[in-house]
Amino acid sequence: QVQLQESGPGLVKPSQTLSLTCTVSGASISSGGYYCSWIRQHPGKGLEWIGYIYYSGTTYYNPSLKSRATISLDTSKNHFSLKLTSVTAADTAMYFCATMLATNRWYFDLWGRGTLVTVSS
Amino acid sequence: ESVLTQSPGTLSLSPGERATLSCRASQSISSIFLAWYQQKPGQAPRLLIYGASNRATGIPDRFSGSGSGTDFTLTISRLEPEDFAVYYCQQYGSSLWTFGQGTKVESK
Repeated sequence: QVQLQESGPGLVKPSQTLSLTCTVSGASISSGGYYCSWIRQHPGKGLEWIGYIYYSGTTYYNPSLKSRATISLDTSKNHFSLKLTSVTAADTAMYFCATMLATNRWYFDLWGRGTLVTVSS
Repeated sequence: ESVLTQSPGTLSLSPGERATLSCRASQSISSIFLAWYQQKPGQAPRLLIYGASNRATGIPDRFSGSGSGTDFTLTISRLEPEDFAVYYCQQYGSSLWTFGQGTKVESK
């Protein structure tokens, strides 16, 4: 059974870099079977897709983040990571990692439980 | 960029009743690019429907999806207590994955 688990600091200071990791168990992210994504949800609000990475290293980001997001992969640890630079209070949100099947990368079939990140001094 | 608008914002129903949720896209999309999710408080969203009408693994058959073009519907035939939650539609289009703002199904 494939499972995703987010981890990282729950509190980040304004202007600093938010760093989160998603550890995948039950499947290998280097198999080419999945696109690995990050999605966030502002408190009490809807969902915003941040970006994805494929096992080849190909990445794609939501332009709304204005190049502040970087997603990377560590196949030896079977995890992928998100870095978001120059954070502000507007980046306070629940951050989810999620996967899309490579054969059907139009929807997110599996999600982690999420991790809350608060941006505050 | 196509925008998804869900209606109503909140649906107040009783267990056993039928729920009909709407998702309208500002531009026509292929049905394969439309999905529905359920989110309960404090939990991650769960995939219910993909390709507009295909139930995901383990999803009860009281959930069904339909629609095409710009108008899509999620129907819950008979609400069970565990179905009270927020439901989101999601599309893929123009190299972006975007979500509707959600419909909350609450117990009357």
